[in-house]
Amino acid sequence: QAVVTQEPSLTVSPGGTVTLTCGSSTGAVTSGHWPYWFQQKPGQAPKTLIYDTSNKHSWTPARFSGSLLGGKAALTLSGAQPEDEADYYCLLSYSGARVFGGGTKLTVL
Amino acid sequence: QVQLQEAGPGLVKPSQTLSLTCTVSGGSISSGNYYWSWIRQPAEKGLEWIGRMYTSGSTNYNPSLKSRVTISLDASKNQFSLKLSSVTAADTAVYYCARDTHLDYWGQGTLVTVSS
Repeated sequence: QAVVTQEPSLTVSPGGTVTLTCGSSTGAVTSGHWPYWFQQKPGQAPKTLIYDTSNKHSWTPARFSGSLLGGKAALTLSGAQPEDEADYYCLLSYSGARVFGGGTKLTVL
Repeated sequence: QVQLQEAGPGLVKPSQTLSLTCTVSGGSISSGNYYWSWIRQPAEKGLEWIGRMYTSGSTNYNPSLKSRVTISLDASKNQFSLKLSSVTAADTAVYYCARDTHLDYWGQGTLVTVSS
């Protein structure tokens, strides 16, 4: 089974920009992996921010964007807010099966 | 507004079968082109994808769990279910159900503890 890798932790200053990445042990991440990004706050269910690389749900703040960058999926947060402090997970698809990354703990400080 | 709610025993003995249901409200489980998924999260750990079922009945499972997992749909009750056999303490987790395709709607999660 493929292994999906994320930065364990990142810190961003309020108002700053940060990019989280999502890599695959099988090689470059492409749009064919249908990358997803989720935000999870303590005690809550995950909330889907981005699907299929760069598509947003109606509830996704405009400051979040998804892309492919350097062979990885990327989630960029531009203009970080204190409420963005959370765990972020990516999800990749492999011929029907799906694998989550280990998650990135984002601190806004 | 679509809502999902997990239900099932909070405590399961080792070697037994974990059974959970997810009741969908605000929409028919058999209409539309949706997958219906199960995802779990052990305490203080990351998310693990368990599997999903399409409205047509086709399924995809996590290869590491495939031999123990069954996901099924009951359109008459607007529910889908998860069965995980031969459980061990490693299966202790919060279990989430979700409407897939774009994973837009999630249940709140239910804690299942495997212990004698």
